Order: sequence, then C-alpha cells, then structure tokens
Amino acid sequence: ETGVTQSPTHLIKTRGQQVTLRCSSQSGHNTVSWYQQALGQGPQFIFQYYREEENGRGNFPPRFSGLQFPNYSSELNVNALELDDSALYLCASLRRGTENIQYFGAGTRLSVL
Amino acid sequence: TQLLEQSPQFLSIQEGENLTVYCNSSSVFSSLQWYRQEPGEGPVLLVTVVTGGEVKKLKRLTFQFGDARKDSSLHITAAQPGDTGLYLCAVSHGSSNTGKLIFGQGTTLQVKP
Repeated sequence: ETGVTQSPTHLIKTRGQQVTLRCSSQSGHNTVSWYQQALGQGPQFIFQYYREEENGRGNFPPRFSGLQFPNYSSELNVNALELDDSALYLCASLRRGTENIQYFGAGTRLSVL
Repeated sequence: TQLLEQSPQFLSIQEGENLTVYCNSSSVFSSLQWYRQEPGEGPVLLVTVVTGGEVKKLKRLTFQFGDARKDSSLHITAAQPGDTGLYLCAVSHGSSNTGKLIFGQGTTLQVKP
C-alpha cells in the first residue's frame, strides 16, 4: 500500500474522445509525476506538477495536459485520443526536500478503440 | 534509442536458479534506481545506488553500480515464484532526484515453481 490512489482503474474510450484520469497523492507529498507505460515497456515520463505548477515535461504533445490542486491531488487530461494512447497511466508522488522517494499508484488502464 | 538498455528483456527460470539482469548506458549518472513492478501494480523502489562500484544487498537480491556509474546489475540468488515481475532500472532526468525518472524497457522475470 503506497498511499497513492488512482481512478478509475480501467477505462475504455474511442478515438477522438477526451479522458480525465485522477490521482490522490500520499499525504504531505507536494510533487506529482505522471507516466505512460505501454504493454511490456518501461514507464515514460509525461510531466510533473509541484505546488500546482507544471515542473517539467517529457516528449508528449500538448493534448496531454494536467492539473494539480491545493490538496496536491492531480488530474491528467488527454484530448483527441489516438489508438496509440492505449496504455497504463501511472502517477507517482513524493515530498520534495526529504528523502525524495517516489511512490507509485497502481495505475489506470486506458484502452482506446 | 533508449538511454537505458536492459537485458535480457524476458527471462523464464525454475525456482532455485540464480539470475542476473543488466542495465547499461553510455551516459554517466549520479545515481540509479531499481524497481519491481508486479501485475496490476505500480513500480516499487527496491534500491538506489549512488557510488561507483557500490554493492547493495536486499535479502537474496544483490545490486551493483558500475565503477564508471554507467551501468548496473541485479543478481537474484535462488529465485522464488514471488520474485516474478517486471524489473526496471531508472535514472533521474537532470542532476538531482526530483522524481522525473527515465526508465529502461524492463526485464520480465518469470519464476516457475
């Protein structure tokens, strides 16, 4: 149990639709990162939020966007879904300035048909 | 091309066997992490190695950081079915550990009873 909760656990969408994934970070953690993990691959860094501001972004197009709320929970939004967006989406939280250990949620499995 | 190359990509062994997985790069890193991910879960941190030549042990798992801090290995002694999972190495994007991780593609380990 990592204390990081993601919802929903599974989601099916069709190409062109929009999706919002949610992450509740561990208590006291002010930094949230989002990753995309294709089947059989390692996670790829999408972006990070620190104190409600985007703080670094990987090689993902602008249709991937996010938010972090005052309680440090976070959302990942993906517009104009493509078939290749089918993946496991992971969020991870840490408390910057301490031991900087990142804790991952179990992920949301997104299928785009 | 991947920054971190893991090998082998897939390994299926019998309970009790020993194995080694590798994480290689041409870049130098200040630290490197190993994670294990079980089906339906997010990655869980096993160890962080920081010093070139460093060896860390976690029960039957032995982690080594290369002298030049470009590569690492994970050795498992007397593997058990509970060791089954995806083993990932990761480094921080940038100089400090702020949670923006670059992962290798992973080694899928299956240990048969």
